Amino acid sequence: GAVVSQHPSWVICKSGTSVKIECRSLDFQATTMFWYRQFPKQSLMLMATSNEGSKATYEQGVEKDKFLINHASLTLSTLTVTSAHPEDSSFYICSASGLAGGTYEQYFGPGTRLTVT
Amino acid sequence: AQSVTQPDIHITVSEGASLELRCNYSYGATPYLFWYVQSPGQGLQLLLKYFSGDTLVQGIKGFEAEFKRSQSSFNLRKPSVHWSDAAEYFCAVVFYSSASKIIFGSGTRLSIRP
Repeated sequence: GAVVSQHPSWVICKSGTSVKIECRSLDFQATTMFWYRQFPKQSLMLMATSNEGSKATYEQGVEKDKFLINHASLTLSTLTVTSAHPEDSSFYICSASGLAGGTYEQYFGPGTRLTVT
Repeated sequence: AQSVTQPDIHITVSEGASLELRCNYSYGATPYLFWYVQSPGQGLQLLLKYFSGDTLVQGIKGFEAEFKRSQSSFNLRKPSVHWSDAAEYFCAVVFYSSASKIIFGSGTRLSIRP
């Protein structure tokens, strides 16, 4: 299957600073990328959907000004957590989807663990 | 409303015993269906998926799942579990009308008794 990478795999930042997380589809042109967050011992919650070259669509309750998503190319999407606070500490996972071999495929990145101190 | 439910939060089975994890969905048509496994602190690993065709799907690590349209279910099974199967298991669905968003169930934590 295709490979989706995330960078960094973990990051610690101070409260009030901004953090950018990259999601790359290494061998797959992702028409759509998704961002999820996962709190400890909980399921993945979809934050937003981004299509290449257009604005992201945010799920209800997700602050678009706090979680800035850019999907500039078919292989790269970024999530920027602005003015991070300790409650933003979480595991952030991206996924890339599109048609491959005539079927729908979605591939997940390994996740980025964010700790805000 | 579109939803996916995993009714069991935590299941403990003995090593070597059989396993069945339940997953139900609510949708007017057949969605795409997936099972993922996640070990602590790790990302997701796809076990198997169902789009159409044969309703019994074989996956990796000896897992299988059966789609039952009449019950709106997609239960995951394994005939004999190993201690390494201890992890969190997520059922997930893609509803056609939702722009291909994968929606995850709440997860089932599997513990293995020696």
